[in-house]
Amino acid sequence: AQSVAQPEDQVNVAEGNPLTVKCTYSVSGNPYLFWYVQYPNRGLQFLLKYITGDNLVKGSYGFEAEFNKSQTSFHLKKPSALVSDSALYFCAVRADSNYQLIWGAGTKLIIKP
Amino acid sequence: NAGVTQTPKFRILKIGQSMTLQCTQDMNHNYMYWYRQDPGMGLKLIYYSVGAGITDKGEVPNGYNVSRSTTEDFPLRLELAAPSQTSVYFCASGPTAEKLFFGSGTQLSVL
Repeated sequence: AQSVAQPEDQVNVAEGNPLTVKCTYSVSGNPYLFWYVQYPNRGLQFLLKYITGDNLVKGSYGFEAEFNKSQTSFHLKKPSALVSDSALYFCAVRADSNYQLIWGAGTKLIIKP
Repeated sequence: NAGVTQTPKFRILKIGQSMTLQCTQDMNHNYMYWYRQDPGMGLKLIYYSVGAGITDKGEVPNGYNVSRSTTEDFPLRLELAAPSQTSVYFCASGPTAEKLFFGSGTQLSVL
């Protein structure tokens, strides 16, 4: 069965510091991996995806994510956090054989000035 | 483009009432999805569609129905509303299943 785990409910980072939001997954077959961001009272917005190729994927707003097949992880990173990065971040996965995304429970990222 | 438009934004229903959540997209996307988001939980897929005339069940379809008579519209019907259906509902569309565009959500309370 497919699953996604975001082990941290909340991550607190000081502005200017690097940030990491963790995601691990379980899927049969080749994984398609995604990160979305949700600002208050808004729908989710696509940040980045990994399908194949380079393990380091760059996305919107300076975010990047690293695919690690051996650790079945797809952690979201940013070298220098901004207060405006504060939001809810969701990791999602799907197998290459279907159309359904499986979502993590979300991680609340708080960037303090 | 307006993107994905959901109506209404808020609604309160009594137990046993029915309603339709509207979703329209103007990007000519084939893929459309309905999700519910409960507090502290990830999104749960209710129904999805890969094109006009084609719909399929997601993880949590019970108590809901959908139709996809046109590419643009993907309404979600709640029959006999129950308190367990209190949630925030999101509609999404995409040119493929890889990249989705979300509406701003419908907050539904069933009392």
